[in-house]
Amino acid sequence: AQKVTQAQTEISVVEKEDVTLDCVYETRDTTYYLFWYKQPPSGELVFLIRRNSFDEQNEISGRYSWNFQKSTSSFNFTITASQVVDSAVYFCALSEIYDMRFGAGTRLTVKP
Amino acid sequence: ETGVTQTPRHLVMGMTNKKSLKCEQHLGHNAMYWYKQSAKKPLELMFVYSLEERVENNSVPSRFSPECPNSSHLFLHLHTLQPEDSALYLCASSQEAGPYEQYFGPGTRLTVT
Repeated sequence: AQKVTQAQTEISVVEKEDVTLDCVYETRDTTYYLFWYKQPPSGELVFLIRRNSFDEQNEISGRYSWNFQKSTSSFNFTITASQVVDSAVYFCALSEIYDMRFGAGTRLTVKP
Repeated sequence: ETGVTQTPRHLVMGMTNKKSLKCEQHLGHNAMYWYKQSAKKPLELMFVYSLEERVENNSVPSRFSPECPNSSHLFLHLHTLQPEDSALYLCASSQEAGPYEQYFGPGTRLTVT
């Protein structure tokens, strides 16, 4: 069965600090997809990234970077030089076919 | 309108009422989804529709009845709900059904009294 664990319930940092959000997943399939979504206070989830299980290359997009390690079943998300606008709940998710399984989310608060 | 819209944004209903949630996507996508987000559980996938056909139903109680008349519209009909059904109901769409990026609406905050 699929499972996504985000052990960090809440994280608080001061602006300009770097922060890493952890995501650990479980699946029996060899083909699967991992996602990160951001949910700002407005409530609407915003897609950030999608990776398939065969692509372990790390990805960087501006201040955001993702580290995918199959050996530890982890797909961690790092925000460099955090900003107040990064404050949100961040969800990691796993999908095999139609079922998208989300983690419980990590609430990130960035203080000025 | 752009993206995914949901109406109403807030809904309060009694346990004996019947109401419907509406979702519309303006992205030309072929798949639509209903999710439930409550304080005590992670985001839960309820239903998946691909080209108006339901392809996934995650053991959702029959008091929730989805309807997809076309690929742009998705409804969730509610009847005889329980207080524990109070939650944020999110609609999403994607190009195709499956492990693709989904675009979410702002949600409907439902309170069952």
